Amino acid sequence: DAGVIQSPRHEVTEMGQEVTLRCKPISGHNSLFWYRQTMMRGLELLIYFNNNVPIDDSGMPEDRFSAKMPNASFSTLKIQPSEPRDSAVYFCASSLADRPYEQYFGPGTRLTVT
Amino acid sequence: KQEVTQIPAALSVPEGENLVLNCSFTDSAIYNLQWFRQDPGKGLTSLLLIQSSQREQTSGRLNASLDKSSGRSTLYIAASQPGDSATYLCAGGANAGNNRKLIWGLGTSLGVNP
Repeated sequence: DAGVIQSPRHEVTEMGQEVTLRCKPISGHNSLFWYRQTMMRGLELLIYFNNNVPIDDSGMPEDRFSAKMPNASFSTLKIQPSEPRDSAVYFCASSLADRPYEQYFGPGTRLTVT
Repeated sequence: KQEVTQIPAALSVPEGENLVLNCSFTDSAIYNLQWFRQDPGKGLTSLLLIQSSQREQTSGRLNASLDKSSGRSTLYIAASQPGDSATYLCAGGANAGNNRKLIWGLGTSLGVNP
């Protein structure tokens, strides 16, 4: 198995632009998690899905952030408009729904907003 | 508010030394504890998961313990090697109905000097 796949690995954009991050979970996993990691705040859960349905989006910082999971093998995290304070590493992780704590992480997308 | 704290934030040791990383948590609803490793520019990899009914888990040179009554977990690394250099994060599994997620510490950055 290729593991969790994220794209792009690096993204540099200007303030105000739309940013879309992509994730492909491990085949057969039915839970998907989006995290943001910064030096100051560490790893924060933004949102997670079970069977393509959002279960907890309380970590989404504001309306500029949105996430979708149109099918079991693909999810997006969109930021519109982006701001410099959104600069961070964004991780996607997946797990089996009955083992939500056994999460497998992708390599992350490093986002820089100038 | 559920919190997970890791001490120290950074640690540097000579090769061959045994060492202990500490993790504490404030909420009794955290009923399992997991240790992850993160290498620079990479995602996170689970090392050990201790269920609430267990007191410790071992894998090779790693041993993790869990004491729910005191809200503490430790990760013991025996005979440290330069390849152990990484950031180690602990995460508590929280369960609130159907909402199951990990609560993360900020990590301990470990450097093992040859």
